[in-house]
Amino acid sequence: GENVEQHPSTLSVQEGDSAVIKCTYSDSASNYFPWYKQELGKRPQLIIDIRSNVGEKKDQRIAVTLNKTAKHFSLHITETQPEDSAVYFCAASRDYKLSFGAGTTVTVRA
Amino acid sequence: DAGVIQSPRHEVTEMGQEVTLRCKPISGHNSLFWYRQTMMRGLELLIYFNNNVPIDDSGMPEDRFSAKMPNASFSTLKIQPSEPRDSAVYFCASSSSYYRQETQYFGPGTRLLVL
Repeated sequence: GENVEQHPSTLSVQEGDSAVIKCTYSDSASNYFPWYKQELGKRPQLIIDIRSNVGEKKDQRIAVTLNKTAKHFSLHITETQPEDSAVYFCAASRDYKLSFGAGTTVTVRA
Repeated sequence: DAGVIQSPRHEVTEMGQEVTLRCKPISGHNSLFWYRQTMMRGLELLIYFNNNVPIDDSGMPEDRFSAKMPNASFSTLKIQPSEPRDSAVYFCASSSSYYRQETQYFGPGTRLLVL
């Protein structure tokens, strides 16, 4: 099955700086790569996703890049704000099944 | 739209008791997923329904776990008998597709503690 590895496990950034989270996947047939944000005690919520026919996607301060050859994808958050503090999960899928990374705890220092 | 609804939000029970978790997916969604989240194992898919039919139950840990979807607007996950290692947050999620992956919308989760 699909194996998704996510790094780093924790990330502390100064407010206003950028944050980058990287994921690798094992199944070359995976074609859908969503990112979820989970605040403490809350549900995971989709923040951005990318499909394999696209190399990069941006939504305001959030961007995701995909390198299918290398089988890795990354989340970039620019101009971080305190409300960006949360756990971020990457995932990969070839059909209905999402395989999640272990998560990155992001802390934005004021 | 109210989103995915789960009940109860919190459940505390004693080992050996039966636990039933409930989920109402978003209206019009044809795919429903049950996940379990723990610190040790992260987010795990337990079972996937499409059009009320179980498609993939390979993630169900053992026979103590069972899930049903009697109609498009209701699903249950039952644990009988419950054990302390079942303590986790259980999420239900729904989406609107089958062949192509679309956004999965998660419910608020049920925090289960088995003593």
